[in-house]
Amino acid sequence: GQQVMQIPQYQHVQEGEDFTTYCNSSTTLSNIQWYKQRPGGHPVFLIQLVKSGEVKKQKRLTFQFGEAKKNSSLHITATQTTDVGTYFCAGPKAAGNKLTFGGGTRVLVKP
Amino acid sequence: NAGVTQTPKFQVLKTGQSMTLQCAQDMNHEYMSWYRQDPGMGLRLIHYSVGAGITDQGEVPNGYNVSRSTTEDFPLRLLSAAPSQTSVYFCASSLQGALYNEQFFGPGTRLTVL
Repeated sequence: GQQVMQIPQYQHVQEGEDFTTYCNSSTTLSNIQWYKQRPGGHPVFLIQLVKSGEVKKQKRLTFQFGEAKKNSSLHITATQTTDVGTYFCAGPKAAGNKLTFGGGTRVLVKP
Repeated sequence: NAGVTQTPKFQVLKTGQSMTLQCAQDMNHEYMSWYRQDPGMGLRLIHYSVGAGITDQGEVPNGYNVSRSTTEDFPLRLLSAAPSQTSVYFCASSLQGALYNEQFFGPGTRLTVL
């Protein structure tokens, strides 16, 4: 069945540095969503990408949808302690009204 | 608006006990769903509903039942709790469906089965 994989599973980042987390699907996606979950909290929607090659920015966060619509990335510049949390991507399953979530990238920031 | 609310926040059960996790939303959302999250893992879909009176299975439905008698409420029932059901349970809702709609998550229920 459809799988959504995220790498890396963990990301230790020095405050002020940049990093990228990747999301890969085994099938073509109609769209992809990104969520952030703070420690002890619940997932919160960040953004949705729909078009092939689409790039969207939210302040220091840049989201990209691959040309083949099978992968996506989240790039964070000048990481801050407020970026701590787990970032999930999610894509719809081909059959049914379901979202498949990746395993997440847990981001830890070293001050 | 309260958004998506879940009760209880914490629960400890003994193996074999049954219980119902409550979920309610006040945003008039048609789509509601239940996920479980295990340590270090992503979210796995248990059951979902596209509207009142309609429910369907997700990836990991065994051991759980749901019903959707109203638009607002989507309770999750554990029939006979097992230690493997120790997890954090999140309820989510969206305006219409999961495909192109932002999911709003509740605060979660942390369940331990002894």
